[in-house]
Amino acid sequence: LAKTTQPISMDSYEGQEVNITCSHNNIATNDYITWYQQFPSQGPRFIIQGYKTKVTNEVASLFIPADRKSSTLSLPRVSLSDTAVYYCLVGPRGAGNNRKLIWGLGTSLAVNP
Amino acid sequence: NAGVTQTPKFQVLKTGQSMTLQCAQDMNHEYMSWYRQDPGMGLRLIHYSVGAGITDQGEVPNGYNVSRSTTEDFPLRLLSAAPSQTSVYFCASSLRTEGNIQYFGAGTRLSVL
Repeated sequence: LAKTTQPISMDSYEGQEVNITCSHNNIATNDYITWYQQFPSQGPRFIIQGYKTKVTNEVASLFIPADRKSSTLSLPRVSLSDTAVYYCLVGPRGAGNNRKLIWGLGTSLAVNP
Repeated sequence: NAGVTQTPKFQVLKTGQSMTLQCAQDMNHEYMSWYRQDPGMGLRLIHYSVGAGITDQGEVPNGYNVSRSTTEDFPLRLLSAAPSQTSVYFCASSLRTEGNIQYFGAGTRLSVL
């Protein structure tokens, strides 16, 4: 099973681009990479998912190199409201067994004024 | 749609008491899961279900029971509460074809004294 490793915390300032990297050296061929955002006193919320290369939506971009052993969540021009914990999740898309879904421990992002 | 609804939001128990955490979803999702979240330990899977009548153990199942009599409901029972079960509990649901895109409830904060 893939193991996911991400930085415990990061600091940034309003208006900057933030890149959070997740390492998943043992990723399997059919695994996808999914990122979640969690605010205090709320459940995690899906942000973005990808398999390879680059995916972009209205919230973030996800960069995945060819070897897929890592991925980088990019948040453009962060604001104070982006202060949250960000989780990396690796696993198959249609997991019949939730134990195949491997969660990172989360990266606490603090955006300063 | 209400999404995933968890009740109660807060609960205090004494050691040895039992209780049921309720979870309901109105998205007709096949998959439902229970996680606990503790500081520094991320999300850990307790039990999960791939459909009505089907449940299986996750990473930390001891001390907890589940059942899934309907697609909508997935209650988590604490049989005899222990201080080690003090945690925040999240219920999540997902489509069978998108198991890694999960929709979370707001959580139940449980303290066992």
